[in-house]
Amino acid sequence: DTGVSQDPRHKITKRGQNVTFRCDPISEHNRLYWYRQTLGQGPEFLTYFQNEAQLEKSRLLSDRFSAERPKGSFSTLEIQRTEQGDSAMYLCASSPLGLSNTGELFFGEGSRLTVL
Amino acid sequence: AQSVTQPDIHITVSEGASLELRCNYSYGATPYLFWYVQSPGQGLQLLLKYFSGDTLVQGIKGFEAEFKRSQSSFNLRKPSVHWSDAAEYFCAVGAGEYGNKLVFGAGTILRVKS
Repeated sequence: DTGVSQDPRHKITKRGQNVTFRCDPISEHNRLYWYRQTLGQGPEFLTYFQNEAQLEKSRLLSDRFSAERPKGSFSTLEIQRTEQGDSAMYLCASSPLGLSNTGELFFGEGSRLTVL
Repeated sequence: AQSVTQPDIHITVSEGASLELRCNYSYGATPYLFWYVQSPGQGLQLLLKYFSGDTLVQGIKGFEAEFKRSQSSFNLRKPSVHWSDAAEYFCAVGAGEYGNKLVFGAGTILRVKS
């Protein structure tokens, strides 16, 4: 399967714990995005990378959130000291650069976080 | 700042009937516009997009959408709905290079009755 994969698909944690999500983009895609989707809402942009550089972060990304893409391949999104308001689906997407870019984002199936 | 409004939270149509999902956007420049579909347990899938040119765009699965600048709208249509079209549909406006940074609407849940 050459699509975007995310792990874990589901995570249940207690308030105050740290969680980490991993995203493996389509292999030739330079750009990687993180979105958050809460119940009844559309996805909201969190951050994106071009290769290993984090180019933009949303104000939604508090200091408890950090994302990395150390080698320009997979990415991790870590949430420290989780709060119940962090419960959401975390979506990863990727896209190519340059002439291959048609504007389409390719989304993974998401990682659902439940904070008790 | 960009924003997208999808006025209908839920829509129910009979199988074989026509469908129109509404989308209004706010964006200062010429927008990049998208419709994505999300089925349970699956990732968001692109149905169609508008960048420029012909204001009526065709997508996958028999969907089309029309960009109307004067109305700031990008409504999604399908002439005959199939039961497999039941899903949640999101309109999005793109910012940044190639419109890759997306602002989504809240979505419209489509139910299809037989």
